[in-house]
Amino acid sequence: GAGVSQSPRYKVTKRGQDVALRCDPISGHVSLYWYRQALGQGPEFLTYFNYEAQQDKSGLPNDRFSAERPEGSISTLTIQRTEQRDSAMYRCASSLGQGADSNQPQHFGDGTRLSIL
Amino acid sequence: AQTVTQSQPEMSVQEAETVTLSCTYDTSESNYYLFWYKQPPSRQMILVIRQEAYKQQNATENRFSVNFQKAAKSFSLKISDSQLGDTAMYFCASRQGGSEKLVFGKGTKLTVNP
Repeated sequence: GAGVSQSPRYKVTKRGQDVALRCDPISGHVSLYWYRQALGQGPEFLTYFNYEAQQDKSGLPNDRFSAERPEGSISTLTIQRTEQRDSAMYRCASSLGQGADSNQPQHFGDGTRLSIL
Repeated sequence: AQTVTQSQPEMSVQEAETVTLSCTYDTSESNYYLFWYKQPPSRQMILVIRQEAYKQQNATENRFSVNFQKAAKSFSLKISDSQLGDTAMYFCASRQGGSEKLVFGKGTKLTVNP
Protein backbone atom coordinates (compact mmCIF):
# COMPACT_ATOMS: atom_id res chain seq x y z
CA GLY A 1 0.00 0.00 0.00
CA ALA A 2 0.91 3.65 -0.16
CA GLY A 3 1.40 4.17 3.56
CA VAL A 4 1.93 2.34 6.83
CA SER A 5 -1.16 0.30 7.60
CA GLN A 6 -2.20 -0.63 11.13
CA SER A 7 -5.01 -2.86 12.29
CA PRO A 8 -7.32 -2.79 14.02
CA ARG A 9 -8.00 0.94 14.21
CA TYR A 10 -9.74 0.46 17.54
CA LYS A 11 -9.48 -2.33 20.07
CA VAL A 12 -11.52 -2.56 23.25
CA THR A 13 -10.85 -5.46 25.55
CA LYS A 14 -11.21 -6.48 29.14
CA ARG A 15 -8.40 -6.33 31.61
CA GLY A 16 -6.39 -9.55 31.65
CA GLN A 17 -6.90 -10.40 27.98
CA ASP A 18 -4.07 -10.61 25.47
CA VAL A 19 -4.09 -8.31 22.43
CA ALA A 20 -2.15 -8.37 19.17
CA LEU A 21 -1.67 -5.23 17.10
CA ARG A 22 -0.59 -5.47 13.51
CA CYS A 23 1.60 -3.20 11.38
CA ASP A 24 2.17 -3.44 7.63
CA PRO A 25 5.02 -1.07 6.67
CA ILE A 26 5.55 0.80 3.43
CA SER A 27 6.78 -1.58 0.75
CA GLY A 28 10.58 -1.64 0.65
CA HIS A 29 11.06 -0.12 4.09
CA VAL A 30 13.54 -2.20 6.05
CA SER A 31 13.19 -0.44 9.39
CA LEU A 32 10.08 -0.66 11.52
CA TYR A 33 9.31 1.07 14.81
CA TRP A 34 6.64 0.86 17.49
CA TYR A 35 5.64 3.84 19.63
CA ARG A 36 2.99 4.38 22.29
CA GLN A 37 1.16 7.69 22.60
CA ALA A 38 -0.79 8.51 25.73
CA LEU A 39 -3.55 11.10 25.54
CA GLY A 40 -2.10 14.61 25.43
CA GLN A 41 1.47 13.38 25.03
CA GLY A 42 3.93 12.80 22.25
CA PRO A 43 4.74 9.28 21.08
CA GLU A 44 7.20 7.26 23.16
CA PHE A 45 9.54 4.72 21.61
CA LEU A 46 8.91 1.05 22.34
CA THR A 47 11.00 -1.04 19.97
CA TYR A 48 12.72 -1.12 16.58
CA PHE A 49 13.42 -3.73 13.89
CA ASN A 50 15.90 -3.77 11.07
CA TYR A 51 14.56 -6.36 8.64
CA GLU A 52 13.49 -9.24 10.93
CA ALA A 53 16.01 -8.46 13.68
CA GLN A 54 14.79 -6.66 16.78
CA GLN A 55 17.61 -4.18 17.29
CA ASP A 56 16.34 -2.19 20.25
CA LYS A 57 13.61 -3.08 22.71
CA SER A 58 14.66 -0.69 25.44
CA GLY A 59 11.30 1.11 25.41
CA LEU A 60 9.13 -1.91 26.12
CA PRO A 61 7.72 -1.16 29.59
CA ASN A 62 7.75 -4.71 30.96
CA ASP A 63 7.79 -8.34 29.92
CA ARG A 64 4.09 -8.35 29.09
CA PHE A 65 5.01 -6.48 25.92
CA SER A 66 6.66 -8.23 22.99
CA ALA A 67 7.03 -7.67 19.28
CA GLU A 68 8.05 -9.71 16.30
CA ARG A 69 8.67 -9.26 12.59
CA PRO A 70 9.40 -12.80 11.44
CA GLU A 71 9.75 -12.21 7.70
CA GLY A 72 11.06 -8.68 7.78
CA SER A 73 7.79 -7.12 6.69
CA ILE A 74 4.61 -7.25 8.81
CA SER A 75 5.09 -6.81 12.54
CA THR A 76 2.94 -7.72 15.51
CA LEU A 77 3.03 -6.04 18.91
CA THR A 78 1.55 -8.29 21.58
CA ILE A 79 0.46 -7.25 25.04
CA GLN A 80 -0.28 -10.07 27.44
CA ARG A 81 -2.53 -9.85 30.50
CA THR A 82 -3.56 -6.31 29.64
CA GLU A 83 -3.98 -3.69 32.35
CA GLN A 84 -5.90 -0.42 32.29
CA ARG A 85 -2.65 1.55 32.19
CA ASP A 86 -1.93 -0.04 28.79
CA SER A 87 -4.71 2.06 27.25
CA ALA A 88 -3.15 4.34 24.64
CA MET A 89 -2.65 4.90 20.92
CA TYR A 90 -0.08 2.47 19.55
CA ARG A 91 1.69 3.76 16.47
CA CYS A 92 3.89 1.97 14.00
CA ALA A 93 6.37 3.70 11.71
CA SER A 94 8.69 2.57 8.96
CA SER A 95 11.67 3.98 7.12
CA LEU A 96 14.05 3.07 4.35
CA GLY A 97 16.73 2.51 6.99
CA GLN A 98 20.19 2.92 5.48
CA GLY A 99 21.73 3.26 8.89
CA ALA A 100 21.16 5.35 11.98
CA ASP A 101 23.33 8.14 10.56
CA SER A 102 21.17 8.64 7.52
CA ASN A 103 18.36 11.15 7.63
CA GLN A 104 15.65 8.84 6.38
CA PRO A 105 12.45 9.99 8.06
CA GLN A 106 10.05 7.71 9.87
CA HIS A 107 6.60 7.51 8.29
CA PHE A 108 3.81 6.78 10.72
CA GLY A 109 0.61 4.82 10.47
CA ASP A 110 -2.70 6.08 11.81
CA GLY A 111 -2.35 3.97 14.94
CA THR A 112 -4.43 1.52 16.91
CA ARG A 113 -6.38 3.04 19.78
CA LEU A 114 -6.40 0.47 22.57
CA SER A 115 -8.85 0.72 25.45
CA ILE A 116 -8.66 -1.66 28.38
CA LEU A 117 -11.83 -1.87 30.44
CA ALA B 1 19.50 11.37 27.70
CA GLN B 2 17.69 13.26 24.99
CA THR B 3 14.88 15.58 25.96
CA VAL B 4 12.58 17.72 23.85
CA THR B 5 10.57 20.57 25.35
CA GLN B 6 7.64 22.37 23.80
CA SER B 7 6.68 25.16 26.14
CA GLN B 8 3.46 26.25 24.41
CA PRO B 9 0.62 23.79 25.05
CA GLU B 10 -1.78 25.77 22.86
CA MET B 11 -1.59 28.56 20.30
CA SER B 12 -3.97 30.24 17.93
CA VAL B 13 -3.51 32.35 14.81
CA GLN B 14 -5.72 34.09 12.31
CA GLU B 15 -5.93 32.69 8.83
CA ALA B 16 -3.23 34.11 6.50
CA GLU B 17 -1.05 35.25 9.39
CA THR B 18 2.29 33.84 10.55
CA VAL B 19 2.85 31.81 13.68
CA THR B 20 5.97 30.39 15.33
CA LEU B 21 5.99 27.27 17.47
CA SER B 22 8.85 26.84 19.94
CA CYS B 23 10.96 23.79 20.64
CA THR B 24 14.11 23.29 22.66
CA TYR B 25 16.08 20.09 22.99
CA ASP B 26 18.95 18.68 24.93
CA THR B 27 21.46 16.17 23.64
CA SER B 28 25.06 15.30 24.37
CA GLU B 29 25.68 14.21 20.79
CA SER B 30 27.20 16.39 18.08
CA ASN B 31 25.39 14.50 15.33
CA TYR B 32 21.62 14.53 15.49
CA TYR B 33 18.48 15.20 13.49
CA LEU B 34 15.42 17.30 14.25
CA PHE B 35 11.86 16.96 12.98
CA TRP B 36 8.45 18.56 13.17
CA TYR B 37 5.41 16.30 12.82
CA LYS B 38 1.79 17.37 12.40
CA GLN B 39 -1.09 15.41 13.92
CA PRO B 40 -4.45 16.67 12.64
CA PRO B 41 -7.79 15.59 14.12
CA SER B 42 -7.79 12.74 11.61
CA ARG B 43 -5.03 11.27 13.87
CA GLN B 44 -2.49 10.89 11.09
CA MET B 45 1.13 11.68 11.96
CA ILE B 46 2.62 13.66 9.10
CA LEU B 47 6.23 14.74 8.70
CA VAL B 48 6.33 18.50 8.13
CA ILE B 49 10.02 19.32 7.99
CA ARG B 50 13.42 17.97 9.05
CA GLN B 51 16.85 19.40 9.79
CA GLU B 52 20.28 17.84 10.08
CA ALA B 53 22.28 19.36 12.93
CA TYR B 54 25.41 19.67 10.79
CA LYS B 55 23.64 21.90 8.28
CA GLN B 56 23.74 25.59 9.09
CA GLN B 57 21.08 26.52 6.57
CA ASN B 58 17.54 26.47 7.93
CA ALA B 59 15.24 23.96 6.26
CA THR B 60 12.18 25.21 4.37
CA GLU B 61 9.20 23.37 2.89
CA ASN B 62 6.80 25.72 1.13
CA ARG B 63 5.01 27.70 3.90
CA PHE B 64 6.93 25.92 6.65
CA SER B 65 10.40 26.92 7.76
CA VAL B 66 12.56 26.41 10.82
CA ASN B 67 14.80 28.64 12.86
CA PHE B 68 17.59 26.33 13.98
CA GLN B 69 19.78 27.88 16.68
CA LYS B 70 22.33 25.17 17.45
CA ALA B 71 24.11 26.92 20.29
CA ALA B 72 20.82 27.64 22.03
CA LYS B 73 19.50 24.14 21.18
CA SER B 74 16.39 25.72 19.74
CA PHE B 75 14.38 24.49 16.76
CA SER B 76 11.28 26.61 16.17
CA LEU B 77 8.75 26.11 13.38
CA LYS B 78 7.37 29.07 11.44
CA ILE B 79 4.16 28.68 9.50
CA SER B 80 3.51 31.47 7.01
CA ASP B 81 0.15 32.33 5.46
CA SER B 82 -1.64 30.04 7.93
CA GLN B 83 -4.50 27.99 6.52
CA LEU B 84 -7.46 26.36 8.24
CA GLY B 85 -5.98 22.98 7.36
CA ASP B 86 -2.95 23.76 9.50
CA THR B 87 -5.09 23.26 12.61
CA ALA B 88 -3.44 20.32 14.37
CA MET B 89 -1.13 19.17 17.14
CA TYR B 90 2.48 19.82 16.24
CA PHE B 91 5.23 17.65 17.70
CA CYS B 92 8.91 18.45 17.73
CA ALA B 93 11.23 15.41 17.75
CA SER B 94 14.92 14.65 17.81
CA ARG B 95 17.01 11.65 16.92
CA GLN B 96 20.63 11.20 17.88
CA GLY B 97 23.05 9.97 15.27
CA GLY B 98 23.70 6.28 15.80
CA SER B 99 20.24 5.77 17.29
CA GLU B 100 16.97 4.98 15.58
CA LYS B 101 14.84 6.27 18.45
CA LEU B 102 12.78 9.43 17.99
CA VAL B 103 12.22 11.46 21.15
CA PHE B 104 9.14 13.68 21.03
CA GLY B 105 8.00 16.75 22.89
CA LYS B 106 4.52 16.96 24.41
CA GLY B 107 3.16 18.90 21.48
CA THR B 108 1.56 22.27 20.75
CA LYS B 109 -2.07 22.45 19.78
CA LEU B 110 -2.43 25.03 17.00
CA THR B 111 -5.79 26.45 16.01
CA VAL B 112 -6.13 28.55 12.87
CA ASN B 113 -9.15 30.83 13.09
CA PRO B 114 -11.08 32.09 10.03
